[in-house]
Amino acid sequence: SQQGEEDPQALSIQEGENATMNCSYKTSINNLQWYRQNSGRGLVHLILIRSNEREKHSGRLRVTLDTSKKSSSLLITASRAADTASYFCATRFSGNTPLVFGKGTRLSVIA
Amino acid sequence: GAVVSQHPSRVICKSGTSVKIECRSLDFQATTMFWYRQFPKQSLMLMATSNEGSKATYEQGVEKDKFLINHASLTLSTLTVTSAHPEDSSFYICSAPVDTEAFFGQGTRLTVV
Repeated sequence: SQQGEEDPQALSIQEGENATMNCSYKTSINNLQWYRQNSGRGLVHLILIRSNEREKHSGRLRVTLDTSKKSSSLLITASRAADTASYFCATRFSGNTPLVFGKGTRLSVIA
Repeated sequence: GAVVSQHPSRVICKSGTSVKIECRSLDFQATTMFWYRQFPKQSLMLMATSNEGSKATYEQGVEKDKFLINHASLTLSTLTVTSAHPEDSSFYICSAPVDTEAFFGQGTRLTVV
């Protein structure tokens, strides 16, 4: 079953702009992860944020987590055409349980 | 990080035939492997969980006799799509959990004609 709901489902921006994607989930989690998927390809792990963390940075990526609202956001700053991809949040309940993926946001960055 | 090697990356088969997809953990032992399916423009849906040395557990709505999973060793899990039909055409991807992370295979694009 799917846990996360991302919004927007699709986002189109100009190169250089920031892109914000949101994810909501339903159950308690151990951690939340964001992945990127280029069309027809495998997944690339972007960042993991644990349930006791509120914000995390990695390069041009900034992730926030609000466990009280069961939501997370992914911000990509100074976007590039190469950032064009689908982005998924995925949650994990505990150590060996499977990741449950949200529906994803399709990001298009126009040069 | 850990590497999961998935083969083949693409396969086209005729209706009624069977296709085997392999996922190997190259530098670690994977006691558990998750198998996902992704239809075009959709998200990844968990199909089943394979555990080394025991029977796989399937998600609701996934036919265990159609999607045969074998996890005979700590480094190899296989998914066999039996009697494939065009509606089985999809992107199949495996994932092994390691501590808090998950390592994914490269995925297999299956097209049934």
